[in-house]
Amino acid sequence: GQNIDQPTEMTATEGAIVQINCTYQTSGFNGLFWYQQHAGEAPTFLSYNVLDGLEEKGRFSSFLSRSKGYSYLLLKELQMKDSASYLCAVRAESGGYQKVTFGTGTKLQVIP
Amino acid sequence: DTEVTQTPKHLVMGMTNKKSLKCEQHMGHRAMYWYKQKAKKPPELMFVYSYEKLSINESVPSRFSPECPNSSLLNLHLHALQPEDSALYLCASSQDPSGTGVEETQYFGPGTRLLVL
Repeated sequence: GQNIDQPTEMTATEGAIVQINCTYQTSGFNGLFWYQQHAGEAPTFLSYNVLDGLEEKGRFSSFLSRSKGYSYLLLKELQMKDSASYLCAVRAESGGYQKVTFGTGTKLQVIP
Repeated sequence: DTEVTQTPKHLVMGMTNKKSLKCEQHMGHRAMYWYKQKAKKPPELMFVYSYEKLSINESVPSRFSPECPNSSLLNLHLHALQPEDSALYLCASSQDPSGTGVEETQYFGPGTRLLVL
């Protein structure tokens, strides 16, 4: 099975930088996704990592260390609209198929 | 275009009703998914269709019956549901069911919020 851990809640100030961590334990790892989900809405794709290192996309960056089973999502220049839940999702081989399992999500509150 | 559409947006049904949820994508994706999401919980995988064939059933009760009429459409037929089945039902699609790269990113529809009375 898989075990994915994220902090439950975080609070950060508008204009600041916040780092949301995700640790995972799985076999057959084949990539890690970050999704953003506003309350009552569907998850939207933010980033994907499969190799070690940093992927940058505008104000959002995501880092992966496969050997440590660790990823983080970095949000810069925080805006009020960034208040949302951030879901870490791990893809792994399971029973001959590729399966994506979501972490419980980190609820980020951005305050003025 | 990364749009997945779902209908209806909201659904209220009794425990004896039969209803269907619909999902559509026109991105040429060959994998489609149903997820169930309860409040403050992550999405939980229910079913995966790969090239219009059911490839994963996560031990979902038979009162949920998926159907994939063609590569663009995915239905979820509901019958004799229980109040605990009330949740947000999300449909997603991805390009290549067997891929292991970024093309396997799943794109979600807006969901159907279901209330079972």
